[in-house]
Amino acid sequence: RKEVEQDPGPFNVPEGATVAFNCTYSNSASQSFFWYRQDCRKEPKLLMSVYSSGNEDGRFTAQLNRASQYISLLIRDSKLSDSATYLCVALSGNTGKLIFGQGTTLQVKP
Amino acid sequence: NAGVMQNPRHLVRRRGQEARLRCSPMKGHSHVYWYRQLPEEGLKFMVYLQKENIIDESGMPKERFSAEFPKEGPSILRIQQVVRGDSAAYFCASSPLSGTPGNTEAFFGQGTRLTVV
Repeated sequence: RKEVEQDPGPFNVPEGATVAFNCTYSNSASQSFFWYRQDCRKEPKLLMSVYSSGNEDGRFTAQLNRASQYISLLIRDSKLSDSATYLCVALSGNTGKLIFGQGTTLQVKP
Repeated sequence: NAGVMQNPRHLVRRRGQEARLRCSPMKGHSHVYWYRQLPEEGLKFMVYLQKENIIDESGMPKERFSAEFPKEGPSILRIQQVVRGDSAAYFCASSPLSGTPGNTEAFFGQGTRLTVV
């Protein structure tokens, strides 16, 4: 089983839609979690950190459920520019290593 | 404050040559990660280093690959006797500290695209 798992998608949604991605992690010692965004052939960019029960930044909301060991990312009012691959990341509590999921691809259509 | 700097951005090597990829972390960051990404695939962890220490190299191939992060200078990922399968994008990320909430965010360089011909 992979340490961090995501549905690869693609998720195809119209502009203005609300879309949610889920991510599960297997290491209960993981302490910190992040969502990164990666555009085609570019470096991943930090989108949000998720430290406790979750947080919100504009149209983006991240939630953490430690009991079920999953993290979610909700995007409201999708824009064309939101089209990208979204990477779920867990910081291993044992080693400090950042573990990436394989990413979920989002395509926002006009 | 300059971001994570990787060079070269593009590197072409013939089979059997050596490739040296450099990563200068953000100022104040003492932790460096290296990841490899093949076309249409996800990021694969290779190695995690602190200054002068390899913390976790569980993702490094056992042969031909090595990494260092000296006290002075950039982190280096070295691939000896490259083969076509080494062609990929290699990303470096740095973070200030590990294990401390609020000090764990990692930032990526623009990557080095290695092509082996």
